[in-house]
Amino acid sequence: AQTVTQSQPEMSVQEAETVTLSCTYDTSENNYYLFWYKQPPSRQMILVIRQEAYKQQNATENRFSVNFQKAAKSFSLKISDSQLGDTAMYFCAFMTSGNTPLVFGKGTRLSVIA
Amino acid sequence: EPEVTQTPSHQVTQMGQEVILRCVPISNHLYFYWYRQILGQKVEFLVSFYNNEISEKSEIFDDQFSVERPDGSNFTLKIRSTKLEDSAMYFCASSPGLAGPHEQYFGPGTRLTVT
Repeated sequence: AQTVTQSQPEMSVQEAETVTLSCTYDTSENNYYLFWYKQPPSRQMILVIRQEAYKQQNATENRFSVNFQKAAKSFSLKISDSQLGDTAMYFCAFMTSGNTPLVFGKGTRLSVIA
Repeated sequence: EPEVTQTPSHQVTQMGQEVILRCVPISNHLYFYWYRQILGQKVEFLVSFYNNEISEKSEIFDDQFSVERPDGSNFTLKIRSTKLEDSAMYFCASSPGLAGPHEQYFGPGTRLTVT
């Protein structure tokens, strides 16, 4: 079975600084998809960024980027120029193939401090 | 931009009562999902639905749960006899299916409180 581990329950960062959230996963699959979801206090799950395992290039979305290390089964999220609105729970999630269920990590609570 | 909607936003019910949580997935999506999140815990998969039938379900999705797509737009989760431990946030999600990035779009959730 696939597992996703987020080893940082809580993190904080100063506004405008950069922070990196860690995620590791375990799978025997070769092709899969990885995601970071943001859950603000409103509790809605919002997709931040995704990465296809077959792509070597790391995904980027504006201030958000990932460091995908397939051999190490690591998928970290870097948030640059942190903003107060980035304060949220961040969940790393894994999907074996299209349309299969997402497997989530336990989340990292990120606080951006003014 | 199209979005997944869920009603109600908050449902309070007594133990043993039946509840129906409603979702309207994005209109051209083919796959539908229910997840739940007990307060303070991670999001857990319950069931996925495709082509008018369950495609996959987790151990959590026992005989007390059922899903239905009664018409072309709604996707419902029914809990027949609620228990205290069913108190959680329930998220509906949908994805386009077929080829593509396969990302799942989540609704805002329904907070279910069983007393």
